[in-house]
Amino acid sequence: NAGVTQTPKFQVLKTGQSMTLQCAQDMNHNSMYWYRQDPGMGLRLIYYSASEGTTDKGEVPNGYNVSRLNKREFSLRLESAAPSQTSVYFCASMRRPNTGELFFGEGSRLTVL
Amino acid sequence: SQQGEEDPQALSIQEGENATMNCSYKTSINNLQWYRQNSGRGLVHLILIRSNEREKHSGRLRVTLDTSKKSSSLLITASRAADTASYFCATEGGAAGNKLTFGGGTRVLVKP
Repeated sequence: NAGVTQTPKFQVLKTGQSMTLQCAQDMNHNSMYWYRQDPGMGLRLIYYSASEGTTDKGEVPNGYNVSRLNKREFSLRLESAAPSQTSVYFCASMRRPNTGELFFGEGSRLTVL
Repeated sequence: SQQGEEDPQALSIQEGENATMNCSYKTSINNLQWYRQNSGRGLVHLILIRSNEREKHSGRLRVTLDTSKKSSSLLITASRAADTASYFCATEGGAAGNKLTFGGGTRVLVKP
């Protein structure tokens, strides 16, 4: 029972490089989310997808793009990485909005040099 | 900006003692949730309380919600070393719409 799977778990980038964080859920959930977690800041929402085919900006979308590839998969892309994007990124899913709990992946730790 | 703010930021207690942490928020909500995060892991949902509920229990957890004060508390009774973790409140609804907005968390250390 995998739940939410994120890859990669760790990544080191140089400033200006691009990369995509992958996320997949096997719970048939409609909504998916990308958060970043920085020390002392809690989690901040980057982008979310309330349902397949829709995406919306969260609190801190600048420098990121997302793709809801299908119901299972929601990817986060950094086109030109900056040191300010050094963070731990979490993908999460919810059955549908307002229904309750988020299910989280184990996180992807990204360092931008 | 964060909707929820936890207090205290850190808490250290002995095994067997109770741990209480508080969460304050700014705008109206549909529900408030508490999550636990063990070091280096993802967040795990603990309990959800809806805006029309005042208290909820789940095992050793007790959550209260006071919408007039825009605050919630999480009580962990008879704490265990395994309860050592960070605890986050998250609110859904209000200005955030259908998105969950998290606070900065309370780090709890339970000493054996």
